Amino acid sequence: EAGVVQSPRYKIIEKKQPVAFWCNPISGHNTLYWYRQNLGQGPELLIRYENEEAVDDSQLPKDRFSAERLKGVDSTLKIQPAELGDSAVYLCASSSGGPFYGYTFGSGTRLTVV
Amino acid sequence: GQQVMQIPQYQHVQEGEDFTTYCNSSTTLSNIQWYKQRPGGHPVFLIQLVKSGEVKKQKRLTFQFGEAKKNSSLHITATQTTDVGTYFCAGRNSNSGYALNFGKGTSLLVTP
Repeated sequence: EAGVVQSPRYKIIEKKQPVAFWCNPISGHNTLYWYRQNLGQGPELLIRYENEEAVDDSQLPKDRFSAERLKGVDSTLKIQPAELGDSAVYLCASSSGGPFYGYTFGSGTRLTVV
Repeated sequence: GQQVMQIPQYQHVQEGEDFTTYCNSSTTLSNIQWYKQRPGGHPVFLIQLVKSGEVKKQKRLTFQFGEAKKNSSLHITATQTTDVGTYFCAGRNSNSGYALNFGKGTSLLVTP
């Protein structure tokens, strides 16, 4: 089975520009997460989806970040406008749902804002 | 909010030596998971602990969950170069819903 697929793998943009990341979770996984991982740190949750509903977006900087999961499958995370401090790896993960399932992470998108 | 602390931040061992990383939470956890991230890679799920005092083994890896469900440890016996990477614990409590809170990880370097 295919794992969690993310694209692009790398992205370099100038500050104030928009950027979008795409994630395709494992088939049948209803729960989808976006995490941000800074260098030398653990992943930090940005948003969690149950099907198409965002059930936890308390850590998402809503002034510049947005996310959607249309039809409860693929998801897109957008930053507009990007700032230098947004440079990080953006990880998408999916799970079968519930609190007792491990996450399957994608390879991530490494964003560099210059 | 819940914080999950890991120590040490880094560990450098000779191949064949043992390695242990510790995870501590400020609140009682409903469960804890461990992940391994190879350099340049993404976190990969290793195991989950749910019960107080639980011990699980995977070959040379031994995972423990404390009696109070506030701490956990991962012990690797006789490390190999393939064990290189960063090991993260991630905990969940009743207040965090389904969200896992990750520690900062312990980076393990194994030299032959």
